[in-house]
Amino acid sequence: GQNIDQPTEMTATEGAIVQINCTYQTSGFNGLFWYQQHAGEAPTFLSYNVLDGLEEKGRFSSFLSRSKGYSYLLLKELQMKDSASYLCAARDSNYQLIWGAGTKLIIKP
Amino acid sequence: IAGITQAPTSQILAAGRRMTLRCTQDMRHNAMYWYRQDLGLGLRLIHYSNTAGTTGKGEVPDGYSVSRANTDDFPLTLASAVPSQTSVYFCASSEDPGRGNTEAFFGQGTRLTVV
Repeated sequence: GQNIDQPTEMTATEGAIVQINCTYQTSGFNGLFWYQQHAGEAPTFLSYNVLDGLEEKGRFSSFLSRSKGYSYLLLKELQMKDSASYLCAARDSNYQLIWGAGTKLIIKP
Repeated sequence: IAGITQAPTSQILAAGRRMTLRCTQDMRHNAMYWYRQDLGLGLRLIHYSNTAGTTGKGEVPDGYSVSRANTDDFPLTLASAVPSQTSVYFCASSEDPGRGNTEAFFGQGTRLTVV
């Protein structure tokens, strides 16, 4: 079957760095997405990886290892507004997104 | 403002009633999707449409139907609502699901409670 695993909840301190891991098993693979979702709001796109390596976009970076079925989202210089759920999604051979349950990130001052 | 709009934003519905959730996008995206999001579970695909005139079943299609008469609209119908359909429903669209970094854009969601 197809499956996405990510931690349920993480806590970090304002100004620090946090890494949110995601492992995936899909029928075929056509890219890995990260989305941010604030409570009561819609998910919004953060990053996309299809090749191995690190993609950097400001304070956020995303890494992919296709051979390991593994990705992480790295958030630097954490701000209170980064408190949200972070959703990992892998696109399968039918180009459909398979979603993880999300990681709730709590930022403490 | 360009984007994707859902209506209603919330609804309380008696079990057994019929309900249509509306979704409209003005980005001329080919693909549209309906997801439900339940606590502790990931977004689950109900139905999708890769282009106007075509639809497909997702992971949890039972009890739901969709149509795609044109590019912009993708309504989701619950023929006879049951309490297990209580959820937050998100409509999404993307330019072309088969092409590279085609991010999905989401509507603001419809919170549906079936009592």
